[in-house]
Amino acid sequence: EVQLVESGGGLAQPGRSLRLSCAASGFTFDDYAMHWVRQTPGKGLEWVSGINWNANDIAYADSVKGRFTISRDNAKNSLYLQMNSLREEDTALYSCAKSSGFNYGTGAFDVWGQGTMVTVSS
Amino acid sequence: SYVLTQPPSVSVAPGKTARINCGGNNIESKSVHWYQEKPGQAPVLVIYDDSDRPSGIPERFSGSNSGNTATLTISRVEAGDEADYYCQVWDSNSVVFGGGAKLTVL
Repeated sequence: EVQLVESGGGLAQPGRSLRLSCAASGFTFDDYAMHWVRQTPGKGLEWVSGINWNANDIAYADSVKGRFTISRDNAKNSLYLQMNSLREEDTALYSCAKSSGFNYGTGAFDVWGQGTMVTVSS
Repeated sequence: SYVLTQPPSVSVAPGKTARINCGGNNIESKSVHWYQEKPGQAPVLVIYDDSDRPSGIPERFSGSNSGNTATLTISRVEAGDEADYYCQVWDSNSVVFGGGAKLTVL
């Protein structure tokens, strides 16, 4: 069964850091680009960041550029999101999503995890 | 930045046809993907590349893309189709989602 399981969410104060992880199983992880998408409760989807199969192509939404870092470990079938300088507006459910292709810049998100909740509050 | 516009809500009676639009400047030049999201569940890809269906998605779901509007069509709507639907495209090497449309089955 193809599966993505996120972890690492929680409560953080503004300005602090969190690291999210996404464990992949059921498919050849290093054949596909991967992404992080977030959703504020009751609101829509917002793309956060994406990384191609070998981590040579990475991009971020303007709202997180310079504060968040995406990475992957293909040997561990894992995707990560290092979130620094957190702001209250970063409060959201963070989900990882598998791309339908190996390159960044194309493709649909054909598998999604259930997400991990990040709350930024003092 | 590129903007995708969806109606906040669409209502349809069971057994009828629902059409959910996604507007964007010259959207026909882009590949449009559609996701279904039910409360408490992860989004599910229902249409990719304008009109292709992933395996396991009923034939009742179809898509089209022309001019400035892409459309997700759900035929013979069932109560279980009630959900939020999002369109998505790539623009300038970035992912853009529409604001989402809530489909209500009357």
